[in-house]
Amino acid sequence: GNSVTQMEGPVTLSEEAFLTINCTYTATGYPSLFWYVQYPGEGLQLLLKATKADDKGSNKGFEATYRKETTSFHLEKGSVQVSDSAVYFCALSDRGNTPLVFGKGTRLSVIA
Amino acid sequence: NAGVMQNPRHLVRRRGQEARLRCSPMKGHSHVYWYRQLPEEGLKFMVYLQKENIIDESGMPKERFSAEFPKEGPSILRIQQVVRGDSAAYFCASSPDPTGDGYTFGSGTRLTVV
Repeated sequence: GNSVTQMEGPVTLSEEAFLTINCTYTATGYPSLFWYVQYPGEGLQLLLKATKADDKGSNKGFEATYRKETTSFHLEKGSVQVSDSAVYFCALSDRGNTPLVFGKGTRLSVIA
Repeated sequence: NAGVMQNPRHLVRRRGQEARLRCSPMKGHSHVYWYRQLPEEGLKFMVYLQKENIIDESGMPKERFSAEFPKEGPSILRIQQVVRGDSAAYFCASSPDPTGDGYTFGSGTRLTVV
C-alpha cells in the first residue's frame, strides 16, 4: 500500500538557519505530493504541493521538489524564522478514490 | 467563504458517554474525510464519505465508531461508550473531488475522556 516516511523530530534550529525535512514515499503509479503545516492548536494547512516528477512546489520561502528517481519530496527553507515553529506533515495522494496518506509529522522549533 | 467548520472545538466526556463531532464542509465540497491525531503522533485516516454514502471506512474501529454525511446538514462522527483511549484530536477535511489535490482541513475537535 501507499506510505510516507519522514524524518523524526523534533528539529530545533536557530533563527536564519537552513532547514531540511526529509520525506520519502512508496506508491503505485504517479502520486501527487504535499506538505502540510500545523501550528499549535490549529488544523492542517496546505503549504505546497507537486503533481508530477521534477515539479517544484514553493510557498512562503519553503520549497520541495518531486524526485521520482529517489521517491522523495524533501522540504527546504533557506532561512527559518521563529514563526515557522510548527509540525510539518508530508502526504501523498494517488489521485484515485483513496484518501491522503500522511507521514507522522516532524516538529520544528526555531529559537531566536 | 467560510472554511471547514468543526464543532465543538473542545469536548469533555466521561467514560461510557457518547461523543458527537460535527463537520460542515466548505461550500461546494461534497467529499468529507475524518482523521484522528493522537498526542505526538501523525494523522490516521478514519473514514471517507460523500453525501449519503460511506466510500471508505477502512480506518474506523469496528465497534463504537460510526459516521454519516446526510443529504442535508453536517457530517457527524459518533463515538459511543467512550473510553480514555479515544482522547485525541479529530480533524475533518473536505474537497471538491476525490483526487486529493484540494483538501481543506477544519481546526479540529479535541476530545478528552475523563
